[in-house]
Amino acid sequence: DQQVKQNSPSLSVQEGRISILNCDYTNSMFDYFLWYKKYPAEGPTFLISISSIKDKNEDGRFTVFLNKSAKHLSLHIVPSQPGDSAVYFCAASAIPISSGSARQLTFGSGTQLTVLP
Amino acid sequence: KAGVTQTPRYLIKTRGQQVTLSCSPISGHRSVSWYQQTPGQGLQFLFEYFSETQRNKGNFPGRFSGRQFSNSRSEMNVSTLELGDSALYLCASSLGRLSGNNEQFFGPGTRLTVL
Repeated sequence: DQQVKQNSPSLSVQEGRISILNCDYTNSMFDYFLWYKKYPAEGPTFLISISSIKDKNEDGRFTVFLNKSAKHLSLHIVPSQPGDSAVYFCAASAIPISSGSARQLTFGSGTQLTVLP
Repeated sequence: KAGVTQTPRYLIKTRGQQVTLSCSPISGHRSVSWYQQTPGQGLQFLFEYFSETQRNKGNFPGRFSGRQFSNSRSEMNVSTLELGDSALYLCASSLGRLSGNNEQFFGPGTRLTVL
């Protein structure tokens, strides 16, 4: 049972336009959400995050929106650039049940973004 | 500061064999987490080690095991390999604090192919 879902395996966008990547989650205990970007032959790198106390976080061209009632978050990239072409993973974490554990990340299956020049 | 390193980068094994993958975290990081990435499944959490102890475990069979050494380097072992174990295995290091959000830094991964 996937607790974090990225229903679009791929997305193509024209350079300069907006890219919108979507993510849905089912676990209401998730209170921290992240986006990672992954290029081929490299590990994922952290892009942007948002806490559940906020509904928007912005960092340059990247903005993440969180809709808690819908259990949905999205990543907006404006304007999109060819260098943004990569796989984007959505991830979420919750306060651990066990007092001796640290937060763990639950990842979605990823969306391949292709920005066309 | 050097990043997370994983060795080897590529491995080809046959069914029934066993394999050991290695991960060296960022200096000062005491937590190492392992993930399996397969097409369509994203990153599936295997386990996390902190100060040589397994602190958290995902839903993988006992064929998947790991350990961590006193220098925080970690190894992951898969015994009796199956075709379905073919995947990219990623490790991530972090400070591993119990409170707050620990940013995870990923290595480039080991691509395992089981024939």
